[in-house]
Amino acid sequence: GAGVSQSPSNKVTEKGKDVELRCDPISGHTALYWYRQSLGQGLEFLIYFQGNSAPDKSGLPSDRFSAERTGGSVSTLTIQRTQQEDSAVYLCASSLTSGRAGEQFFGPGTRLTVL
Amino acid sequence: QQPVQSPQAVILREGEDAVINCSSSKALYSVHWYRQKHGEAPVFLMILLKGGEQKGHDKISASFNEKKQQSSLYLTASQLSYSGTYFCGTEIGDDKIIFGKGTRLHILP
Repeated sequence: GAGVSQSPSNKVTEKGKDVELRCDPISGHTALYWYRQSLGQGLEFLIYFQGNSAPDKSGLPSDRFSAERTGGSVSTLTIQRTQQEDSAVYLCASSLTSGRAGEQFFGPGTRLTVL
Repeated sequence: QQPVQSPQAVILREGEDAVINCSSSKALYSVHWYRQKHGEAPVFLMILLKGGEQKGHDKISASFNEKKQQSSLYLTASQLSYSGTYFCGTEIGDDKIIFGKGTRLHILP
């Protein structure tokens, strides 16, 4: 079956522009996670959704970052007024259940480069 | 809150064994292990849910010491395909998984 998909795979933008990153989870997966991975760094938690609600937004780096999920499916991560330090690979993962029971399936990521 | 992994990197020859450790400053509900190959997405290895539980996956196994808030990943008779970065993720009861910075494993033929 289809796995987690993300689009675009690569995004180059100029500093100050807004970007939208999209994640299509595996059908039926209720939990959805966003992570950021900078070069040589670990997986930095950003936000997770249970259905359409986001119980924990504590990982979002600043108020320039926001995310939403609609219909319990597709999620969009929006970065406003991008900065060079936002350059990273943004990974999305989905899980049949959340937290302790949840094996996460990762998408291929979106590589964001801010010039 | 981020778990600490050690070592940061290790180089082995094919057939040798390795242990990767993961420790947390908080009580854990579960520990998750993933492997990421260069340029690819992380792939699930296993979840440990109970204190003292040990799980196996081919020649890769893990233990979880709930009391010590630690987990260890054991790779025995390593194969070239084991190369990659290993991440432990910890869950403290709030339904989110926080990953460590990873351990880079390189296997030489």
